[in-house]
Amino acid sequence: KAGVTQTPRYLIKTRGQQVTLSCSPISGHRSVSWYQQTPGQGLQFLFEYFSETQRNKGNFPGRFSGRQFSNSRSEMNVSTLELGDSALYLCASSLGQGAEKLFFGSGTQLSVL
Amino acid sequence: EDKVVQSPLSLVVHEGDTVTLNCSYEVTNFRSLLWYKQEKKAPTFLFMLTSSGIEKKSGRLSSILDKKELSSILNITATQTGDSAIYLCAIMNYGGSQGNLIFGKGTKLSVKP
Repeated sequence: KAGVTQTPRYLIKTRGQQVTLSCSPISGHRSVSWYQQTPGQGLQFLFEYFSETQRNKGNFPGRFSGRQFSNSRSEMNVSTLELGDSALYLCASSLGQGAEKLFFGSGTQLSVL
Repeated sequence: EDKVVQSPLSLVVHEGDTVTLNCSYEVTNFRSLLWYKQEKKAPTFLFMLTSSGIEKKSGRLSSILDKKELSSILNITATQTGDSAIYLCAIMNYGGSQGNLIFGKGTKLSVKP
């Protein structure tokens, strides 16, 4: 069974640009969560999607958005990039909404110059 | 605000040593405490502890939840170089505003041969 797949693995952008990250969950998993990981703040919750609906959202500005498709694949978008958005963005999938046992992808390392 | 604090932030030991990693938490409506291991990018699930299951063991790793002290420890005996990783502690609460899982900043363990 394939794991959680995130693309791209690495991304370099400049301030003001926007970026879209993609996540394909494990087959059969319907919940997808996104986390931002930085050395200073650790892992911080961005949002969770279940059945194409955003179920929960963390304390991030509106520049961070996401969506989920009918096949459970998810994308997150960051608009008007800032230097502080440089981070590892991790996607995790689980069978149901609000499940504890998350299966993480290898992340997208975003660098904003 | 709910929070999770891990200590130490980093630790260097030699193969064969036993280590204890600490996690303390302040959270309303506690549901469960989880440990994850992050070797490169993708955190992988280790243990989940709840009020009905306060001790877990898997091989050389074991974990205990102390609900009175609002803390947990992760023990690794006879450490190996393959145990080198960041160990993340996370809390799941019921209906929290910070999202599903609240992570600590992690303990970076380095095991020297």
